[in-house]
Amino acid sequence: GAGVSQSPRYKVTKRGQDVALRCDPISGHVSLYWYRQALGQGPEFLTYFNYEAQQDKSGLPNDRFSAERPEGSISTLTIQRTEQRDSAMYRCASSRRQGGNSPLHFGNGTRLTVT
Amino acid sequence: GENVEQHPSTLSVQEGDSAVIKCTYSDSASNYFPWYKQELGKGPQLIIDIRSNVGEKKDQRIAVTLNKTAKHFSLHITETQPEDSAVYFCAVLNTNAGKSTFGDGTTLTVKP
Repeated sequence: GAGVSQSPRYKVTKRGQDVALRCDPISGHVSLYWYRQALGQGPEFLTYFNYEAQQDKSGLPNDRFSAERPEGSISTLTIQRTEQRDSAMYRCASSRRQGGNSPLHFGNGTRLTVT
Repeated sequence: GENVEQHPSTLSVQEGDSAVIKCTYSDSASNYFPWYKQELGKGPQLIIDIRSNVGEKKDQRIAVTLNKTAKHFSLHITETQPEDSAVYFCAVLNTNAGKSTFGDGTTLTVKP
């Protein structure tokens, strides 16, 4: 079946603009995670949801970052007033069950560049 | 929070040789240990995982061993092939906390 889909694949934006990154998880997957991956490093946790409820947002760097999953399916990660340091690969993952008891299925990511 | 260290950062082996990648972690409550393979331009993909009540798990040429007392686990790839070349990440999870912490990755190159 279809995997985790992220859009856009690439996003170039000017400093100060807002961006919205979209994630469409595997159908029926309960949990949805957002990670950020810098070049040469492992994915760094940002936030995650079980159904529509945001369970943990401790990894969001500051209050310019927010995420939602209003109907328990598609999620949007929003970065307001972007800065150059926000440039990175943003990855979404979903898993079938809560609590991380099932493996993560990652999308191909959105490469964000802030100029 | 959890701290995961992964070694080595790069590994080059000859086709047919074995490759071993090691990770250590800090939180003794962690109980799920997956390994992911990431190919160029793609997201990480699970290749094998182990839970804390098991010491070793094998799947064809891939095996993972876990030492909970020492808080380390390892990925073993035998009879390596060029298509095994990729970046490998270990991850650690406390299923009560719900979020995975990843190592910084190992770039494996298998030379034909």
